[in-house]
Amino acid sequence: DAGVTQSPTHLIKTRGQQVTLRCSPKSGHDTVSWYQQALGQGPQFIFQYYEEEERQRGNFPDRFSGHQFPNYSSELNVNALLLGDSALYLCASSYNIGLPYEQYFGPGTRLTVT
Amino acid sequence: DQQVKQNSPSLSVQEGRISILNCDYTNSMFDYFLWYKKYPAEGPTFLISISSIKDKNEDGRFTVFLNKSAKHLSLHIVPSQPGDSAVYFCAASGHSGGYQKVTFGTGTKLQVIP
Repeated sequence: DAGVTQSPTHLIKTRGQQVTLRCSPKSGHDTVSWYQQALGQGPQFIFQYYEEEERQRGNFPDRFSGHQFPNYSSELNVNALLLGDSALYLCASSYNIGLPYEQYFGPGTRLTVT
Repeated sequence: DQQVKQNSPSLSVQEGRISILNCDYTNSMFDYFLWYKKYPAEGPTFLISISSIKDKNEDGRFTVFLNKSAKHLSLHIVPSQPGDSAVYFCAASGHSGGYQKVTFGTGTKLQVIP
């Protein structure tokens, strides 16, 4: 049973560009959350998707947007990249009615903005 | 507004001794507290949790203590092993807009010296 997978592993972009990160949830999970982990910080919640809808959002600007597909996979899009967007982006999947600890993380995508 | 705080960025412990990782929180509405372990190039993995109605939960070498009056929790690892060397994140879960939301601390890097 594959766990949560993310692609790509690493990415280098230039300021002002746009980026798309992808996540496939653990088999059977229907809810996907995205987190940003800056260097030396803990993961910060960006948003959560369920039934192809964004249902929770953290304190991130509209430049951060997402999508969930019918197969529960998800994308994170960031527009007009800033140097401060450089971070590890983590995807986590869970059951809609699961307990807080029943959240599984992928290995992350390391985004570097130059 | 850092609702979950880990004030020790790093900790070194001799193999076989006890490791104690500390965490403080400010939001009394959190109903679950969790510890995650993170190795380099991997996503966080769930380690142990405790409900806000308990004061202790034990799982093998790992024990989490919760002191609600002090808004403090700690993770004890006994005995510590070199494989325990990793970054440990404290996290807290509470309801936000009708859904569970997880807030992470900044992490403590544990080094267990053989």
